[in-house]
Amino acid sequence: NAGVMQNPRHLVRRRGQEARLRCSPMKGHSHVYWYRQLPEEGLKFMVYLQKENIIDESGMPKERFSAEFPKEGPSILRIQQVVRGDSAAYFCASSPTRTSGGGADTQYFGPGTRLTVL
Amino acid sequence: SQELEQSPQSLIVQEGKNLTINCTSSKTLYGLYWYKQKYGEGLIFLMMLQKGGEEKSHEKITAKLDEKKQQSSLHITASQPSHAGIYLCGASGGGADGLTFGKGTHLIIQP
Repeated sequence: NAGVMQNPRHLVRRRGQEARLRCSPMKGHSHVYWYRQLPEEGLKFMVYLQKENIIDESGMPKERFSAEFPKEGPSILRIQQVVRGDSAAYFCASSPTRTSGGGADTQYFGPGTRLTVL
Repeated sequence: SQELEQSPQSLIVQEGKNLTINCTSSKTLYGLYWYKQKYGEGLIFLMMLQKGGEEKSHEKITAKLDEKKQQSSLHITASQPSHAGIYLCGASGGGADGLTFGKGTHLIIQP
């Protein structure tokens, strides 16, 4: 059973370009979570999605960031008009069921995409 | 919002020695997760604790959740070079779907 897949592993963009990060959850998992890891700040939750629905985007910046998890294909985190402050490691995690409310299911993480904005 | 404080921030231990990492929450923990991250890589799930007083072990790593469910400890016995990395505790706060993480403990094992 393959783990969570993310691509690309490394992405370099110039300021003002768009970044698209992809995440394929583990087989049988329909819940996807995106996190950002900034140096000195730790890992921060961004958004939680189920197929075709954004459930919780409380950690997403209000502008330039969007996420989707279509019926077919991977989940995508899109960053428009990137700035240097967007440089970070972006991790995707998946779980078979929802983990809120004391849920027992674990979130399994992918290897991350390291975004560098020049 | 929930905050997790990890201590120590970094730890250098001689190979073969035991060590303990702590994670303290500002609120009651509904689920406490321990992950390990190797530098430049993703997070590897180690253990999850839910019940007050619960203790779980995997190989030489033992994690405990205190009775009040506001603190957890991770104990490594007879440390090995393969234990080196960043240990992160994460918590589900009951109502939120995303996990809240501590800033991590950087563990270095000296041969």
